[in-house]
Amino acid sequence: SQQGEEDPQALSIQEGENATMNCSYKTSINNLQWYRQNSGRGLVHLILIRSNEREKHSGRLRVTLDTSKKSSSLLITASRAADTASYFCATDVYSGAGSYQLTFGKGTKLSVIP
Amino acid sequence: DSGVTQTPKHLITATGQRVTLRCSPRSGDLSVYWYQQSLDQGLQFLIQYYNGEERAKGNILERFSAQQFPDLHSELNLSSLELGDSALYFCASSLGLAGLALDEQFFGPGTRLTVL
Repeated sequence: SQQGEEDPQALSIQEGENATMNCSYKTSINNLQWYRQNSGRGLVHLILIRSNEREKHSGRLRVTLDTSKKSSSLLITASRAADTASYFCATDVYSGAGSYQLTFGKGTKLSVIP
Repeated sequence: DSGVTQTPKHLITATGQRVTLRCSPRSGDLSVYWYQQSLDQGLQFLIQYYNGEERAKGNILERFSAQQFPDLHSELNLSSLELGDSALYFCASSLGLAGLALDEQFFGPGTRLTVL
């Protein structure tokens, strides 16, 4: 089963508006990562937030993490058409013998209309 | 450009066949990860190698195997292919410092496998 679940599944906004995507997960984590994927292409790492951090910024991106609620949000401010992509949250899940695996949600498909 | 290369870009083959996907990690990265992305299953972790040794195993079928060579490039071998194996296969790499939680991963462009 998926560790992370993004919400909403799809989001359509006008250029210049803000976009907010949420992610919920089930088990405790060391860190949570957000990735972007343009259609059919490789994923691009956006931001990593550690379990002891509550908020992190990178350019127009703002990520929050609430470990008590097991949830995270990604805010993209002043969106551009080029932000059109799918966005995934990923959490590290312990897979035994001191190792972890990255588990992805199904993603939020963002469409930014010019 | 992530610095991770994957070949081939596209692969079309028949059921029952065997294929090999190749990945070259970013310079300096010791960890290589393989993922499968399909419409119904989403992005699934298959396997991780760190400096030539298997480190973590995910939802990898017994028909699939991988290895990482001394020059750190990796190959994913898929055998007895079935229609359901059609998917995008991604390789990713990271510094992968042993014993630490997962760090930022850099993804290659993927290999699109079509099994007819």
